[in-house]
Amino acid sequence: GAGVSQSPSNKVTEKGKDVELRCDPISGHTALYWYRQSLGQGLEFLIYFQGNSAPDKSGLPSDRFSAERTGGSVSTLTIQRTQQEDSAVYLCASSQVSGNEQFFGPGTRLTVL
Amino acid sequence: GQNIDQPTEMTATEGAIVQINCTYQTSGFNGLFWYQQHAGEAPTFLSYNVLDGLEEKGRFSSFLSRSKGYSYLLLKELQMKDSASYLCAVGERSNDYKLSFGAGTTVTVRA
Repeated sequence: GAGVSQSPSNKVTEKGKDVELRCDPISGHTALYWYRQSLGQGLEFLIYFQGNSAPDKSGLPSDRFSAERTGGSVSTLTIQRTQQEDSAVYLCASSQVSGNEQFFGPGTRLTVL
Repeated sequence: GQNIDQPTEMTATEGAIVQINCTYQTSGFNGLFWYQQHAGEAPTFLSYNVLDGLEEKGRFSSFLSRSKGYSYLLLKELQMKDSASYLCAVGERSNDYKLSFGAGTTVTVRA
């Protein structure tokens, strides 16, 4: 079956612009996660959605970052007023239940000029 | 929070064995995961350990010692396709869905 998909695969933007990154999880997976991976760094947890529960936003680095998940499926990560330090690969993952194996999407490589 | 340490790089010869160590310091623990990530691709799940001991899965094995805060991933009969980054990740007890990742170990397999 289809895996986790993300779009766009690459995004180049100018400092100060807003960007939206999209994630389509595996059908039937109730848990969805966003991570950020900077060059030479480990994956950094950003936000977690589980069913209809309130999301865990504890990993979001600033209030410029927000995410939503509509209808328990597709999720959008929005970064407002992008900064150069936001440049990274943004990875989305989903799992059947929380704590289980997470399946990752291919990521969106964001470059802020 | 969690501190997760693993070597940055390792090089080995095709057909050989390589062991990637991971140490962690945590306030809670709910399992240790290993992921493989080829350059430019998504991480893929390799193994999960929650109890002490060795879990074997084909050419790959993973070991956990909770008392020592230590795990290793053992790759046997190395193949060129095993050249990748290997990520150690720890699940936090209080929020068992939230994984904390190490920076990854880049393994290069040479002919």
